[in-house]
Amino acid sequence: KNEVEQSPQNLTAQEGEFITINCSYSVGISALHWLQQHPGGGIVSLFMLSSGKKKHGRLIATINIQEKHSSLHITASHPRDSAVYICAVPSYTGNQFYFGTGTSLTVIP
Amino acid sequence: DAGVTQSPTHLIKTRGQQVTLRCSPISGHKSVSWYQQVLGQGPQFIFQYYEKEERGRGNFPDRFSARQFPNYSSELNVNALLLGDSALYLCASSQGGLAGTDTQYFGPGTRLTVL
Repeated sequence: KNEVEQSPQNLTAQEGEFITINCSYSVGISALHWLQQHPGGGIVSLFMLSSGKKKHGRLIATINIQEKHSSLHITASHPRDSAVYICAVPSYTGNQFYFGTGTSLTVIP
Repeated sequence: DAGVTQSPTHLIKTRGQQVTLRCSPISGHKSVSWYQQVLGQGPQFIFQYYEKEERGRGNFPDRFSARQFPNYSSELNVNALLLGDSALYLCASSQGGLAGTDTQYFGPGTRLTVL
C-alpha cells in the first residue's frame, strides 16, 4: 500500500469547469505539499499546509488532518492549468518524503 | 535571484558506469534534497542534506550516495548503473533543516538514460 494515494489519476475538463483532485495519506505528517509539474519536468510548489485551507488565485487547497485527506481545487479552469498535480507528505520526523503518483489534468478550450 | 540549478541537463551512460549529478541551491538555502522520478511515476525521495549532514534517506541501495559542500551545493553519485536507474533526477532546496516542513524549490532536473 502506498503512503500517499491520489485520485483521479487522469482528468479531462472543459475550460471553466471546477476541478477537484484528492489526496489521502496513511503516515503521520507535519505538513502536506501540493506540487505542479509541467511537461518537460519542471516542478513548482503550489501549497504547503498543515491545517485548514489556503487560497492562491484560482487554486484552493484544504486539509483534514483527522481524516488524513487533502483536496486541491481549481476554479474556472484554463488550458494553462494542464499539468500533473502531485501530493507529497513528509514523515512526522521530516526525514522521509512520500509522493503520490500524480493526477494528470488536461483542460480543453 | 537565480533559482535551483542542476547539471548536466541530460546524460547518457551505459550499465555498470558511474555518474555524478550536481545541484546548486538558491542563495541562502542550506538544505538540498534529491529525488528520482521514473517516467510516468511520481518522484521518490533519495536524500536530504542540511548543513553538510545527511538528514534523511529514502529506500535506495548503497549505490546511491550524496554529499553537500560548504557552499551548500550538492552532488549525487550513482555507482554500477542499472537500466532501472534511467530517470529524471530532481534536486530541491529549502531554507530549513527538514525536507517536509519548508517550501521546496525544485531545479529543472537531470535526465539520465542508462543503455
